Amino acid sequence: DSGVTQTPKHLITATGQRVTLRCSPRSGDLSVYWYQQSLDQGLQFLIQYYNGEERAKGNILERFSAQQFPDLHSELNLSSLELGDSALYFCASSVGLTQETQYFGPGTRLLVL
Amino acid sequence: GQQVMQIPQYQHVQEGEDFTTYCNSSTTLSNIQWYKQRPGGHPVFLIQLVKSGEVKKQKRLTFQFGEAKKNSSLHITATQTTDVGTYFCAGPASGTYKYIFGTGTRLKVLA
Repeated sequence: DSGVTQTPKHLITATGQRVTLRCSPRSGDLSVYWYQQSLDQGLQFLIQYYNGEERAKGNILERFSAQQFPDLHSELNLSSLELGDSALYFCASSVGLTQETQYFGPGTRLLVL
Repeated sequence: GQQVMQIPQYQHVQEGEDFTTYCNSSTTLSNIQWYKQRPGGHPVFLIQLVKSGEVKKQKRLTFQFGEAKKNSSLHITATQTTDVGTYFCAGPASGTYKYIFGTGTRLKVLA
């Protein structure tokens, strides 16, 4: 158990819908990262927040947005969902801003029908 | 944009054989990390290398960071069935906070 929690574990929804994925980092970690992993694919970095502020952006679509709240939990919002958005979404956390070990949560498996 | 490639993409070995995966970045990495993802699981941190030419060992695993800090390797001696999974390298490009993960090498160990 990495100490990072993600909810829900599984999500099934339809195209065009909007979903919110939630992540609670390890106690004491200030950075939260979001990754997308499609079937048999690598990890695509989406976005990083540090202490409530966006610090790095990767290949995140405009339909996706994220935020980190004062209690340091984070949410990833996915809207106007398409079939291709079906994937495993991981959240990871680390103590600091950069060059830190990342601890991954169990992931949320999203299926868009 | 920056790319981190790993070879091979897949490797099947007999239990007891050695295994090596190679990681190549198109740009210099300030450090490199290795993660292991078991089937159905999440990535788990293995090790971080920071210095040029650094070599670190963890039991049967040997990690190396290239002199130019653009490549790295992970070698497993005498593989066991517990080594099954996908091995990823990752690192932030120098001067950025963005983490780039390699394409991964999926290892299957046949008993």
